Amino acid sequence: DIQMTQSPSSLSASVGDRVTITCQASHDISNFLNWYQQKPGKAPKLLIYDASSLHIGVPSRFSGSGSGTHFTFTISSLQPEDTATYFCLHTDDLPYTFGQGTTLQIK
Amino acid sequence: QLVESGGGVVQPGTSLRLSCSASGFPFSNYGMHWVRQAPRGGLEWVSFISFDGSERRYADSVKDRFTISRDNSKSSLFLDMNSLRAEDTAVYFCADLSRWGQGTLVTVSS
Repeated sequence: DIQMTQSPSSLSASVGDRVTITCQASHDISNFLNWYQQKPGKAPKLLIYDASSLHIGVPSRFSGSGSGTHFTFTISSLQPEDTATYFCLHTDDLPYTFGQGTTLQIK
Repeated sequence: QLVESGGGVVQPGTSLRLSCSASGFPFSNYGMHWVRQAPRGGLEWVSFISFDGSERRYADSVKDRFTISRDNSKSSLFLDMNSLRAEDTAVYFCADLSRWGQGTLVTVSS
C-alpha cells in the first residue's frame, strides 16, 4: 500500500501570508493526488485534483503542484476563512490513503 | 447531494447498515466510496464500489466484515457492517471524492 506523509502537522500564519503544505508518497503516484479542506463538523471539501487542477468554484489563491512522490499545496494569500484542516489523498490505486492532516490557524 | 443515514450506538459484535441517498447528479455513472473519520481526526478510506457494482474493494481493516453495495434504480449506496469493534467508531462519509455527504456517526461501545 502507498503511504502518504504530510507536513507540517500544524501551522500558524497571518492573514496575507503565503502558506505551503507538502505530501510525500512512498511510491510514484504520477499526479493522482487530491487536496481537501475540512472545517470542524463538516465533510472534506475538494480543492485540488490531479495534483494541480483547481476544482470548480475554488478560489484561485489555492494551488497545487508536484508529481511522482513529492507534492505541494499552497495558499498564496491567507484569508481568515482558510482556518481549517487540510488533507492530501492519493488516488493512484486502491487502497487510497490520506495524509495525516495539517491544522492551519490564523495568528 | 449525498445524505448518509443509519448511524447509531451499537455494542461490539453487532451489525449495522449505513445508507447514502444521492441526488442532483447521475449516480449510476459514478464509482462511490465510504470514508471514515475516527474521533482522533484522521481520515481512512474504507471501501469502493464501481459504477455498476461489478468491482468492490475494501480496506484490510474491514475486509470480511463490511460489504458495500448500491441500488442505482434508487440512487442509493449502502455499507453493511458486521462484527463491529470499538475501533470502528467513526463518522462515516459516502463520497465520489469530489462530492461528500455530511457523515453519519457510528459508535461501538458496550
